[in-house]
Amino acid sequence: QVQLQESGPGLVKPSEILSLTCTVSGASIRSYYWSWIRQSPGKGLEWIGYVDYTGTTNYNPSLESRVTISIDTSKNQFSLNLRSVGATDTAIYYCASSYRNNWHGTFDFWGQGTLVAVSS
Amino acid sequence: EIVLTQSPGTLSLSPGETATLSCRASESLPSNYLAWYRQKPGHPPRLLIFGASARATGSPDRFSGDGSGTDFTLTISGLEPEDFAVYYCQYYGSSVFTFGPGTTVDIK
Repeated sequence: QVQLQESGPGLVKPSEILSLTCTVSGASIRSYYWSWIRQSPGKGLEWIGYVDYTGTTNYNPSLESRVTISIDTSKNQFSLNLRSVGATDTAIYYCASSYRNNWHGTFDFWGQGTLVAVSS
Repeated sequence: EIVLTQSPGTLSLSPGETATLSCRASESLPSNYLAWYRQKPGHPPRLLIFGASARATGSPDRFSGDGSGTDFTLTISGLEPEDFAVYYCQYYGSSVFTFGPGTTVDIK
């Protein structure tokens, strides 16, 4: 069973960088695509992007100019950096996995989520 | 960009009743990539259905999915207390994942 745990600051100032890390256990990091998804009252669930074990990324076009997702396979972790944040970036941020084999484009396992508020 | 619309916004039912939820796409979708999730308060979404009609591992058999093209349905036969939650459809296509706005199933 894949387990994911988000970590990072719960408060970020406007215009700064939102940085989160997801720690993976119970799975081979090579077997999945690793995504970040956020949920805010105003915009519902929004996929941010994913990374695979090679470091190949794919981002939501609406956020691509501000997002970097990276992976550290030695630590079984992947990370999100979202630049130039504003109030609309306040949300619960989830990390999630998508099984690479027998691809159905779904999110099979999710972390519990972490609330990040953007405020001065 | 494909847009998913879910209806109704809220469905008020009693335990034991059957819920029928709709997900409509702005363009025809390949069924392989249409999924449904349930989200209980304070929890992340949980995958219920993938490929429009296949139950995910651990998903109870009271959940069934159907549909093709632009119209998809999630049916919950015999609502259990834990089924009063929000349900999302989700599509993968053109390297992008898209969620619908959700349907809330609440207790009548």
